[in-house]
Amino acid sequence: AQSVAQPEDQVNVAEGNPLTVKCTYSVSGNPYLFWYVQYPNRGLQFLLKYITGDNLVKGSYGFEAEFNKSQTSFHLKKPSALVSDSALYFCAVRDWGNNDMRFGAGTRLTVKP
Amino acid sequence: DTAVSQTPKYLVTQMGNDKSIKCEQNLGHDTMYWYKQDSKKFLKIMFSYNNKELIINETVPNRFSPKSPDKAHLNLHINSLELGDSAVYFCASSQVAGNEQFFGPGTRLTVL
Repeated sequence: AQSVAQPEDQVNVAEGNPLTVKCTYSVSGNPYLFWYVQYPNRGLQFLLKYITGDNLVKGSYGFEAEFNKSQTSFHLKKPSALVSDSALYFCAVRDWGNNDMRFGAGTRLTVKP
Repeated sequence: DTAVSQTPKYLVTQMGNDKSIKCEQNLGHDTMYWYKQDSKKFLKIMFSYNNKELIINETVPNRFSPKSPDKAHLNLHINSLELGDSAVYFCASSQVAGNEQFFGPGTRLTVL
């Protein structure tokens, strides 16, 4: 069965600095990988996905993520953080041929002015 | 236009009661889901329906019963509510099962 781990509960960065939110996964076949963001008292919003192709995926709000098969990772990145990026970020994975998507435990990103 | 809507937004009720949460999506998606998010923000899938057929049924108490009258609606009925059912429940939909999902705003259920 597929699984995903977000090793950091909390990430703090200063506004204007680059940010990284880490995600590692485990699947038996080829992974479909996703990032979502949740703002307070809201539902999750889709940011980006990796299915196949280029390892660097660009998504909404200037976010990007890099698929690394050898390290089984899919870290979320942004070159310059904004205070408004402060939110809860979820990584998710599903295995090829399997409809079941598994979410990580979430990482709370705080961007300080 | 709201893509995925849920009603009610807040639900406060006594233990032992029966309640329902409704979900509707106007995206034309084939697959709908119910998730439970606990106080620690863990997100756990409960059910998934594809074209009104159940495709994922995680280990949840049988007090929880989903109903899909058509592919645009997936309602969640909960019998004999317990304190541990208090959580935020999210409905979501995707065009195809396993693709990116679009979430509703959530229903905060509080069982007293």
